[in-house]
Amino acid sequence: NAGVTQTPKFRILKIGQSMTLQCTQDMNHNYMYWYRQDPGMGLKLIYYSVGAGITDKGEVPNGYNVSRSTTEDFPLRLELAAPSQTSVYFCASSSDRAPQPQHFGDGTRLSIL
Amino acid sequence: RKEVEQDPGPFNVPEGATVAFNCTYSNSASQSFFWYRQDCRKEPKLLMSIYSSGNEDGRFTAQLNRASQYISLLIRDSKLSDSATYLCVVSTDKLIFGTGTRLQVFP
Repeated sequence: NAGVTQTPKFRILKIGQSMTLQCTQDMNHNYMYWYRQDPGMGLKLIYYSVGAGITDKGEVPNGYNVSRSTTEDFPLRLELAAPSQTSVYFCASSSDRAPQPQHFGDGTRLSIL
Repeated sequence: RKEVEQDPGPFNVPEGATVAFNCTYSNSASQSFFWYRQDCRKEPKLLMSIYSSGNEDGRFTAQLNRASQYISLLIRDSKLSDSATYLCVVSTDKLIFGTGTRLQVFP
């Protein structure tokens, strides 16, 4: 029972580089989310999706892009990495919109140097 | 005012102690409330959901006071394994996470 799987677990990028954080879930959940968590801070919603082909901005979307071509996958794209994007990124899914609790992946620790 | 506010702690308590955390929220239209637990450098995990005035699960009791807009988490008979950060989460049309309260249980 894999749940929500994120790759990679760790990554170091140089300023200006781009990368994609992968997220996949095997629970057939319609709702998927990307959060970032800075040290000592609460989770902030970056983007979310209510189903394949539908995405929407969260609280802190600038500098990121997402796509949702399938129910299972919800990749997060950083086009021009900046030091302010150094954070831990969590992908989550749920079977219905909030207040349904969410299942989280293990996180991706990203450093921009 | 933050949407969800928690005392960051840390709360340092001995094994067997009872400890309580409070959380306040600003949006009176909030509908559902949760406590998540987050271990160091790990993902958040749902601890308890609160859909009415409160509920109990073993050593853990969560309560909701809508009039005063706060929720609480009570942990009885604390174990070393309870050491973690406890996140208060409030739902309107999305989940709003608090910054967490850190608990450290010592022998």
